Amino acid sequence: DAGVIQSPRHEVTEMGQEVTLRCKPISGHDYLFWYRQTMMRGLELLIYFNNNVPIDDSGMPEDRFSAKMPNASFSTLKIQPSEPRDSAVYFCASSQRGATNEKLFFGSGTQLSVL
Amino acid sequence: AQKITQTQPGMFVQEKEAVTLDCTYDTSDQSYGLFWYKQPSSGEMIFLIYQGSYDEQNATEGRYSLNFQKARKSANLVISASQLGDSAMYFCAMREPLGRGNTFGTGTKLQVIP
Repeated sequence: DAGVIQSPRHEVTEMGQEVTLRCKPISGHDYLFWYRQTMMRGLELLIYFNNNVPIDDSGMPEDRFSAKMPNASFSTLKIQPSEPRDSAVYFCASSQRGATNEKLFFGSGTQLSVL
Repeated sequence: AQKITQTQPGMFVQEKEAVTLDCTYDTSDQSYGLFWYKQPSSGEMIFLIYQGSYDEQNATEGRYSLNFQKARKSANLVISASQLGDSAMYFCAMREPLGRGNTFGTGTKLQVIP
C-alpha cells in the first residue's frame, strides 16, 4: 500500500488567496483525520470523517476553513480566504476502527506558508 | 477530557546510551490505548509503539520499549542503544474513544550526540 498521500508537499500563497489541501487515505480505512501542527499549539485535530461523513468539526478554527470527503479515497481541506496565522503543517491521517491498536497512519504533511 | 503531558521539551543522550522520555496521561476511561510517534526533521509522523490499558506486559518493538505504570498513569518511552538517527521529536498520544483519533502531548525533542 502506498500509505496516506497528501498534496501539495509545500504551498506558499498570499494572504486572501484560496488554498486547497488534498489527501488520499489508505484503502479500506474508514476514518480520516485532518490535524494542524504549529509550534505554539502543537498537534490539533481540526475535523474527522467516518465513512466519508464529517463527525466532528469542532476543531476547525473559523468559517474560513472547510473540509469535504466526496468518496472513500479523497478528502480536501480548504481555507478561503487564507491569513498569515494559518501558516502551519497540515497532516492528514487515516485509521481503521477495530484494527489492531487503531493507530493513525499519517501522510507526509503539507507545509503551508501564507505571506 | 483526556490529557497527555510531556514535561521534557528537550533531551540529550550520548550515542549507544539508553534514554527515557516521560509521558503522563489523564483519563477517566477504563479502556484506553497509548502510542508513541516519532517525527524526524523531514516532518513525517512515524508510529513507534502501542500499549493497551489491559496489556499485562510492557510493549516492546526492537530498541523501543514502553514503561507502563498504570497506577501512576505514566507511559514512558525507553530507547536503548541510541543511534544518531534517533534524533527527532517524539510524541506521546492517547487514543480517543469512539474512533476520534489521538490526543497528543507537546512532544520531546531528542538529540543524540556522537
